[in-house]
Amino acid sequence: EIVMTQSPATLSVSPGERATLSCRASQSISSILAWYQQKPGQAPRLLIYGASTRATGIPARFSGSGSGTEFTLTISSLQSEDFAVYYCQQYNNWPLTFGQGTKLEIK
Amino acid sequence: EVQLLESGGGLVQPGESLRLSCAASGFTFSTYAMSWVRQAPGKGLEWVSALSNSGTDTYYADSVKGRFTISRDNSKNTLYLQMNSLRADDTAVYYCAKRSSAWYFDYWGQGTLVTVSS
Repeated sequence: EIVMTQSPATLSVSPGERATLSCRASQSISSILAWYQQKPGQAPRLLIYGASTRATGIPARFSGSGSGTEFTLTISSLQSEDFAVYYCQQYNNWPLTFGQGTKLEIK
Repeated sequence: EVQLLESGGGLVQPGESLRLSCAASGFTFSTYAMSWVRQAPGKGLEWVSALSNSGTDTYYADSVKGRFTISRDNSKNTLYLQMNSLRADDTAVYYCAKRSSAWYFDYWGQGTLVTVSS
């Protein structure tokens, strides 16, 4: 099983600033990685797939990068609606696995 | 508009069974593989099971293998999860999710809560 490790667990950032979230895979997954956003009481929302392709309707301030085992989700100029929990997911191997999440909170 | 509506959750005792349903609309259901993902209270996302569009290929997390069965009825646009021998650690919100062009998920339902407790 591929273990996905996200860091940090909690990230405190001020509105308007940049946030950088990390996700590491226990073995290489090429670019077979997705990112999701989840707000309290809501289902997850797809942000990024293929490590760097934004999903339909996702604002350009969200960007993904990385390949192999190291991945990054960057949110430039944080808006109030961006404060949420973010998960990475690998879909290169079965079983599908998610990271434990990074909570992005207002500083 | 794509909609996924789960139902069938509730409170059950350890060892009992439950069947979840996910009614899909707004897309050609028979064309897409589907999956179940769960989230224990206050915890992260855990993939549970997946099923090909035809229903012939199934996949399970080790934690549910042998106890849960995923299926679908393409004539009813509905995905199912039969859960047997339920345990306390199966307590979670269960989401159904639509596979996109690969095994990531572009649409999710609102979830149904399953509580296993005596």
